[in-house]
Amino acid sequence: GAGVSQSPRYKVTKRGQDVALRCDPISGHVSLYWYRQALGQGPEFLTYFNYEAQQDKSGLPNDRFSAERPKGSFSTLEIQRTEQGDSAMYLCASSRTLNVNIQYFGAGTRLSVL
Amino acid sequence: KQEVTQIPAALSVPEGENLVLNCSFTDSAIYNLQWFRQDPGKGLTSLLLIQSSQREQTSGRLNASLDKSSGRSTLYIAASQPGDSATYLCAVSNQAGTALIFGKGTTLSVSS
Repeated sequence: GAGVSQSPRYKVTKRGQDVALRCDPISGHVSLYWYRQALGQGPEFLTYFNYEAQQDKSGLPNDRFSAERPKGSFSTLEIQRTEQGDSAMYLCASSRTLNVNIQYFGAGTRLSVL
Repeated sequence: KQEVTQIPAALSVPEGENLVLNCSFTDSAIYNLQWFRQDPGKGLTSLLLIQSSQREQTSGRLNASLDKSSGRSTLYIAASQPGDSATYLCAVSNQAGTALIFGKGTTLSVSS
């Protein structure tokens, strides 16, 4: 079956613009996670959802970042008034159940803020 | 706060060598531990998952061990091949269904 899909794969934007990144999880997966990865670093947790409910948003760096998963399927991560420091790879993962926690990752969206 | 450390940061070996990658974590109360592979500019591929009650998992030439009490895990790669060249990431979760906490990874280069 299809894996986790993220779009766009690459996004170049100017400082101050808003961006929206999309994640389509594996069909039927309950949980959806967002991570951010800077060059040479491991991924860092941003937020996650069980079904449509946002369970933990403690990793979102500030209030310019928000995420939603309105119907419990795809999710959108929005960044308002982008800054150069927001440039990174944004990774999405999904897992089938609440207990096993094997997370399957998408290919990511590479965001560059000029 | 859980912290994950991976040593070494980079490793270069000739083809055919057996090698060990190390991962340590500060809080031993983990739910599970996963090893991932990441190719340049790509997403993560799960290699092995070890539940907190397990000691090791094996898949092909890969073997991962877990010593929860000492906060350590190792990934053993047998008979390395150039196609094994990638960054290997270790990650732990503290509760079922929650976020993974990653190390910075070990970048492996296998020369032919």
